[in-house]
Amino acid sequence: DIQMTQSPSTLTASVGDRVAITCRASQSTSSWLAWYQQKPGKAPKLLIYKASSLQSGVPSRFSGSGSGTEFTLTITSLQPDDFATYYCQQYDSYPLTFGGGTKVEIK
Amino acid sequence: EVQLVESGGGLVQPGRSLRLSCAASGFAFHNYAIHWVRQAPGTGLEWVSGISWNGDTIGYADSVKGRFTISRDNAKNSLYLQMNSLRADDTAFYYCTKVGGAGSYFQNPFDSWGQGTLVSVSS
Repeated sequence: DIQMTQSPSTLTASVGDRVAITCRASQSTSSWLAWYQQKPGKAPKLLIYKASSLQSGVPSRFSGSGSGTEFTLTITSLQPDDFATYYCQQYDSYPLTFGGGTKVEIK
Repeated sequence: EVQLVESGGGLVQPGRSLRLSCAASGFAFHNYAIHWVRQAPGTGLEWVSGISWNGDTIGYADSVKGRFTISRDNAKNSLYLQMNSLRADDTAFYYCTKVGGAGSYFQNPFDSWGQGTLVSVSS
């Protein structure tokens, strides 16, 4: 199984900050990597797929980069609506696996 | 608009069974692989099971293999999860989720999710 490790687990930031979340895979997933945003009591929402493709309707302040085993989700100019938990997921091979999540909190 | 509506959750005793359903609308259900993902309260996401558009390809997490069975009825636009021999660590919200690309079970992210149904396993 491919293990996905996210860092940090918690990130404290202010509105307007640029933030980056890292996801590392225990073996290469090529570019088969997605990022999801989840707010309390809600289902996850797809933000980024294929490591760097922006899902339709997602603001352009979200971007993804990386390939192989190291990936980054970047949010430029953090907005109040962005305070949430973010998960990476590899969909290169089964079983599909998620990172442990990164909670973005308000400073 | 894509809609996925889960039902069938509830409180059940350890060792008993439960059947979850997911009713889909707003897209060509018969063309897409569909999966179940769960989330224990306060924790992260865990893939549970998936089924290809025609039911020919099915996969399970090791944690549920041999106890859970996924199925679909394309005529009814519905997905099911039969859960047997339930354990306390199966307690979670169960989400039905659709892949983004038609046709393929592989290398396809989840682009739409239901609101989830809560399964609680306790005596």
